[in-house]
Amino acid sequence: KQEVTQIPAALSVPEGENLVLNCSFTDSAIYNLQWFRQDPGKGLTSLLLIQSSQREQTSGRLNASLDKSSGRSTLYIAASQPGDSATYLCAGRNSGNTPLVFGKGTRLSVIA
Amino acid sequence: GAVVSQHPSRVICKSGTSVKIECRSLDFQATTMFWYRQFPKQSLMLMATSNEGSKATYEQGVEKDKFLINHASLTLSTLTVTSAHPEDSSFYICSGGDTHTDTQYFGPGTRLTVL
Repeated sequence: KQEVTQIPAALSVPEGENLVLNCSFTDSAIYNLQWFRQDPGKGLTSLLLIQSSQREQTSGRLNASLDKSSGRSTLYIAASQPGDSATYLCAGRNSGNTPLVFGKGTRLSVIA
Repeated sequence: GAVVSQHPSRVICKSGTSVKIECRSLDFQATTMFWYRQFPKQSLMLMATSNEGSKATYEQGVEKDKFLINHASLTLSTLTVTSAHPEDSSFYICSGGDTHTDTQYFGPGTRLTVL
């Protein structure tokens, strides 16, 4: 059964810094992996989806990578802004119609 | 991207009452929908998998008689919390899978508070 771990649990950085959030998963037969953003008391916003055949995906200042052999994914945020402050969740699944398994998230604070 | 709606967004009820939460896929058909629960400062935990026209599959530790799931159409799944108690207070989120894009789309969530 897929297990997902995220480190660190919390991160605080000054505005403008580039940062990396880490996600690890136990089953290398992962089908795809998604990164989400969650603001306090709100639902999920999908940021990036990486299929198992892909190594990375980019959207604006965000870049997500996937390394199945090592069981790792990273979310890179360039030139961080206070508006990036949120909890970032990593989730993976093992086939096309199975549920996502979530990590516990990284709570990011970008200080102006 | 595709849109999933949930209703209500927030509900406060007395202990012992039942609450129904609706999850709709607005612009795609979801053969399978998933129900998650999120306690404060915790991650999302899968409660059950809902398949259109068949019985839901519940995760270990989730009482099927307490959390009734109905998936009567390809665009609607409902979760009914029966005889709710304060420990059922949580954030409930549903998701539906769009097989064309192979992406899970999440509803905005329902905040349940049981007094």
